[in-house]
Amino acid sequence: AQRVTQPEKLLSVFKGAPVELKCNYSYSGSPELFWYVQYSRQRLQLLLRHISRESIKGFTADLNKGETSFHLKKPFAQEEDSAMYYCALSNAGGTSYGKLTFGQGTILTVHP
Amino acid sequence: GAGVSQTPSNKVTEKGKYVELRCDPISGHTALYWYRQSLGQGPEFLIYFQGTGAADDSGLPNDRFFAVRPEGSVSTLKIQRTERGDSAVYLCASSLTAVRHSPLHFGNGTRLTVT
Repeated sequence: AQRVTQPEKLLSVFKGAPVELKCNYSYSGSPELFWYVQYSRQRLQLLLRHISRESIKGFTADLNKGETSFHLKKPFAQEEDSAMYYCALSNAGGTSYGKLTFGQGTILTVHP
Repeated sequence: GAGVSQTPSNKVTEKGKYVELRCDPISGHTALYWYRQSLGQGPEFLIYFQGTGAADDSGLPNDRFFAVRPEGSVSTLKIQRTERGDSAVYLCASSLTAVRHSPLHFGNGTRLTVT
C-alpha cells in the first residue's frame, strides 16, 4: 500500500531563515511526487511536482528514491509562505494520474 | 474562466438524512475527482470519473456513498443515511485528462456537518 508521511504537523521559522518541510513515502511502483499548498482562505493548489524539476516561489524539492523522500526546501522564508503544505503521491505509470495519496500536512508559519 | 465550483459551501444535516453535494468542473476537463478531508488529515481519495463513467471508486467508504456524472460535466456526490462520522470537507477536483502531466484543480470544498 502506498503511504505519505509528513512528520511535522507544525513548523515555525523566522523570515529570512531556511525552511525544509519533510516528506517520506512508501510505494512499490513508479511514483510521482507533488507538493500542494493551501493559503489562508484559498483553495488547495499545486506548488510543484518532481518531474518538472523547477523552482516555484523559491521552493525546490528533489526526489530521493534511495531515501524515499521528497523534502521541500526554500533558502530564505518569507511571511507570505505561511500556509498548509501537503506532500502527495501518484502512480506515474497509471491512467488514474489524479488519484493522489496525501500526507497529513504541515502548517508552516513564518514570523516577521 | 471560472475554476472548479462546489455547492453548497456548507451543509448541516441531521444524522440519518440524505445529502447531495455538487461539483461543477472547469469547462473541457474530462477527469473529475472527489476527495474527503477530515479534520487534521490530508485529503483522501473517494472516486474519479473519466467522462461519464466512474473509472475508480475504490475510495468510497461504503455503499451509502454514491456519485454520478451523467453528462460528463457536473458531478453529484450522494450520501444516504448520513452518520456523524461523515462530517468532513468534501473536495472536488478536475483535470484536462486523467493521464500524466495533467494537474488537478481543486474547488473550495463543501463542509458537511452531520449533527
